[in-house]
Amino acid sequence: EAGVTQSPTHLIKTRGQQATLRCSPISGHTSVYWYQQALGLGLQFLLWYDEGEERNRGNFPPRFSGRQFPNYSSELNVNALELEDSALYLCASSLHSPRPEQYFGPGTRLTVT
Amino acid sequence: EDQVTQSPEALRLQEGESSSLNCSYTVSGLRGLFWYRQDPGKGPEFLFTLYSAGEEKEKERLKATLTKKESFLHITAPKPEDSATYLCAVHDNFNKFYFGSGTKLNVKP
Repeated sequence: EAGVTQSPTHLIKTRGQQATLRCSPISGHTSVYWYQQALGLGLQFLLWYDEGEERNRGNFPPRFSGRQFPNYSSELNVNALELEDSALYLCASSLHSPRPEQYFGPGTRLTVT
Repeated sequence: EDQVTQSPEALRLQEGESSSLNCSYTVSGLRGLFWYRQDPGKGPEFLFTLYSAGEEKEKERLKATLTKKESFLHITAPKPEDSATYLCAVHDNFNKFYFGSGTKLNVKP
């Protein structure tokens, strides 16, 4: 069974630009979660999508947004990039809530210069 | 706000030397506590979910336990391949997820 996949592996952007990160969940999983892992810091919860709807978001500004497509894949968009957005962005998927065990992808390393 | 604190930050063990990792939490209603293993440059790998105080889960040399305020990950007779960062996370009643900063375990042969 294929795991969670993310693309691209690495992304280099300039301050002020927009970044788009993509995630494909495990087959049969309907929930997708996005996390930010900055260097030396723990995972910070960004967004949770389930059945195409945004179910919850963490304490991040509105320039972090995303969506979930009918095939349950997901996209994370970060607008007006700032230097501190440089981090590893992890996507996870799970079966439908309310008791999800999350399975993570390998991440996208975003570097903002 | 909910908080998850892991200790110690780093732990060095000799192969075969058993120990425990701690995860203490304050949360607005615990729906689940998760343990993950993360290797450098990779995404976290799911290990266990615990839902209620008193619950225990085991997998190979790992055993996770849960009380009302903390969880322990016990590692029995560790091997060098157990070296990784172990993450604890909670899922609260507001459907948010909070991760601790992890314990970096190094097992020397």
